[in-house]
Amino acid sequence: KAGVTQTPRYLIKTRGQQVTLSCSPISGHRSVSWYQQTPGQGLQFLFEYFSETQRNKGNFPGRFSGRQFSNSRSEMNVSTLELGDSALYLCASSLGIAGGLTYEQYFGPGTRLTVT
Amino acid sequence: AQRVTQPEKLLSVFKGAPVELKCNYSYSGSPELFWYVQYSRQRLQLLLRHISRESIKGFTADLNKGETSFHLKKPFAQEEDSAMYYCALGRRALTFGSGTRLQVQP
Repeated sequence: KAGVTQTPRYLIKTRGQQVTLSCSPISGHRSVSWYQQTPGQGLQFLFEYFSETQRNKGNFPGRFSGRQFSNSRSEMNVSTLELGDSALYLCASSLGIAGGLTYEQYFGPGTRLTVT
Repeated sequence: AQRVTQPEKLLSVFKGAPVELKCNYSYSGSPELFWYVQYSRQRLQLLLRHISRESIKGFTADLNKGETSFHLKKPFAQEEDSAMYYCALGRRALTFGSGTRLQVQP
C-alpha cells in the first residue's frame, strides 16, 4: 500500500498570507489527524477528521482550520500567517477506533512551512 | 489536562549497553500509551503500544499506573537503534512528549 502523502513538501509564505496543505491518507483509512511540530513546542495535535466530520480539535486559534473530503483526503488551512506558524505540519491516517481498539496512526513525511 | 514528560533530551550509550528511555504521563482514566520512533530521514512510525505487550526490535515498555510511567527498555543497544523516540498518550488525539534522542556509539 502507498503511504500517507502530503503536498507540498516545502512552502515559503509571507506574514498575513494564507496557506492550504494537503494530505492523502492510506487507502481505506477514514481517520486523518494533523499535528504541528516545532523545536519549541514539539509535536502538538491540531485536529482529527473521520468520515468528513471533525472529531477532535487541539488548542489552536481559529486561523487553523481543516476539512476532509468524501475520498478521505484532507486539507488544512492557515489564514493570516504569523512568523510563529513556521513549522513542520504532519498528517497521520488510521482506520480509527473499532471495538475499543485504537488503530495505529501512520504518518506522512510532513510539509515544511516557513513564514517570512 | 493530559501531559507526557520525557525528561532526557539526549541519551548516549555504547553498543551493547542497556537502554532505558523514560516517560511519565498525567491522565485521569485509563491511558492508552505508545512509543513512536523517527530514524534519520524517515517518517515517524509506531514502535510499540502498551496494550500489545510485545517486544519490537528488542524493545519493551511496561505501563506502571502507580508511578504513571511507561519507560522504554532494551537490554543491549545496537547502533541502528540511534533515533528520536517519542512517548505518546491518547486515542484519536495523541499528546506527545518532547522526545529523547538516543545515540548508540560503537
